Amino acid sequence: DTAVSQTPKYLVTQMGNDKSIKCEQNLGHDTMYWYKQDSKKFLKIMFSYNNKELIINETVPNRFSPKSPDKAHLNLHINSLELGDSAVYFCASSQSRTGFAGELFFGEGSRLTVL
Amino acid sequence: ILNVEQSPQSLHVQEGDSTNFTCSFPSSNFYALHWYRWETAKSPEALFVMTLNGDEKKKGRISATLNTKEGYSYLYIKGSQPEDSATYLCAFISNAGKSTFGDGTTLTVKP
Repeated sequence: DTAVSQTPKYLVTQMGNDKSIKCEQNLGHDTMYWYKQDSKKFLKIMFSYNNKELIINETVPNRFSPKSPDKAHLNLHINSLELGDSAVYFCASSQSRTGFAGELFFGEGSRLTVL
Repeated sequence: ILNVEQSPQSLHVQEGDSTNFTCSFPSSNFYALHWYRWETAKSPEALFVMTLNGDEKKKGRISATLNTKEGYSYLYIKGSQPEDSATYLCAFISNAGKSTFGDGTTLTVKP
């Protein structure tokens, strides 16, 4: 029973297309995140939601739009895909009752390839 | 821009060796420091969450220390085993809740 699940795991698409990656967690956590693993393998925070409210929005192009329909889901929609968007995107969740110290539980990542 | 740096970038040791790596981070706006273990083709898994200066945590053969005043944390592995081979990430959590990851130390343990 996967705690944090992302779909799809692999996505190959053409430049200019719009695509979405979905994330669901069954841990009862109230905070969810999107991270991008860049070409140098670094994990960089993109967005964070707490109880469906956006709390962190890093300098990400506005072609990226997160949507949290409820606290168990955080989807990432990307418009007008560019070659530079190719990366592995990780969803994560944590429990905020310990403040910001809650450990992150990661999904398995979604590898996006833009051709 | 927050600098979270890990050293060394990679490490090769023999089975049975003990080893340690460093994570350095800003000493201001500190909230927590996390250590994660990331095996190839898997997702990062938390090892330790550390919040207090002087914290020491231990899980089996792996332990970590924290110095928030000078901005560093050490991760120690005693008697390394091949299954310890992974990338070890630290993440600085600011008091605004933002996480900044280091670029990791990749450990290879040779049998």
